[in-house]
Amino acid sequence: TQLLEQSPQFLSIQEGENLTVYCNSSSVFSSLQWYRQEPGEGPVLLVTVVTGGEVKKLKRLTFQFGDARKDSSLHITAAQPGDTGLYLCAGEGSYKLIFGSGTRLLVRP
Amino acid sequence: EAGVAQSPRYKIIEKRQSVAFWCNPISGHATLYWYQQILGQGPKLLIQFQNNGVVDDSQLPKDRFSAERLKGVDSTLKIQPAKLEDSAVYLCASSFDWTGSNSPLHFGNGTRLTVT
Repeated sequence: TQLLEQSPQFLSIQEGENLTVYCNSSSVFSSLQWYRQEPGEGPVLLVTVVTGGEVKKLKRLTFQFGDARKDSSLHITAAQPGDTGLYLCAGEGSYKLIFGSGTRLLVRP
Repeated sequence: EAGVAQSPRYKIIEKRQSVAFWCNPISGHATLYWYQQILGQGPKLLIQFQNNGVVDDSQLPKDRFSAERLKGVDSTLKIQPAKLEDSAVYLCASSFDWTGSNSPLHFGNGTRLTVT
């Protein structure tokens, strides 16, 4: 069974701080996706990383796929209250998308 | 384009009752998914359709859950009878095709089910 573990589970920081969220597995994935989910809404795709070692940037968000394609990280620079939400990683394998347990981020003004 | 539509948004039922959820995917999307998201957890895949055929239902509790996608368009998910542990948000998603990274999932806003 493929499992994805995210850490930390919950993060509360002050506006302007930096943070990193981790997504780890013992399984190899074809690709890894990151989603953000706000209360009362479905997850929305932020980025997909495909190649081992790949780094993608989306404004203040930096995503990295591990060399072995088993782990990924999301780094947010100078967090803003608008970044508040549930961040989910999802690994693609065997024609299925497996979601991690999520990291709930609260950015205080 | 119109997004994934789900109804109802909220449902409260007593245990042992039955309930049904409806999903209309984005037009032209061949793949449809039902996920269960328990509070504080990530979504868990219940069933995945490719057109009107089932691709994966390995985590669907088939003694009480059923789903269909007639004509390969909209879909219904049913629970009969419901248990307390079925309280969750049920998310429907669709994608153009299952090509993984080349075909991202689009989610609806979900149905929040409370079983009392």
